[in-house]
Amino acid sequence: DAGITQSPRHKVTETGTPVTLRCHQTENHRYMYWYRQDPGHGLRLIHYSYGVKDTDKGEVSDGYSVSRSKTEDFLLTLESATSSQTSVYFCAISEGGFQGGYTFGSGTRLTVV
Amino acid sequence: SQQGEEDPQALSIQEGENATMNCSYKTSINNLQWYRQNSGRGLVHLILIRSNEREKHSGRLRVTLDTSKKSSSLLITASRAADTASYFCATTHVYNNNDMRFGAGTRLTVKP
Repeated sequence: DAGITQSPRHKVTETGTPVTLRCHQTENHRYMYWYRQDPGHGLRLIHYSYGVKDTDKGEVSDGYSVSRSKTEDFLLTLESATSSQTSVYFCAISEGGFQGGYTFGSGTRLTVV
Repeated sequence: SQQGEEDPQALSIQEGENATMNCSYKTSINNLQWYRQNSGRGLVHLILIRSNEREKHSGRLRVTLDTSKKSSSLLITASRAADTASYFCATTHVYNNNDMRFGAGTRLTVKP
């Protein structure tokens, strides 16, 4: 998707290992979000950022941490991956305010074995 | 927990027919948005309707919002095979625009 890229696109990792997913934007948007998508649950917000070094928890933040040291990058870290964290992870960006929609990345499919 | 609940979960129609999807939500909202997701892809923003609006149009899309019933509908007119996708409603809480909650989606199949 234009202006936002996620890496890697696919990853298989073992239980207990740390994993970091990267979201990179070229739109200079203030707001960035991490969601996970699981069958039957739609998308659920993990963490979001409203500026460099400014982050907050979402609905399902347990087991995840985030960092934003630059406007363009938002990292999601699973400190010790568990099988319940097998999911598709989406990053999204927004200009903010109350009127705009989000732009989503193409997703990272993470499998924890 | 999900904020929006779409209905039906799956919908199959013929090309040229209209498709209507419904969304119900639970709390007071600032706005309601609809997104489309093609298989294996990210979500694409379709349309946003504010809490003080009742109807909005964009091309073949028509969205209505009834805040008294906490419900919205998405109508796609003259559907095409390319409209085959999952459709999600999402709501932003009146006090936190960054907490956007999605429903589980409606899977639309348009047969050529």
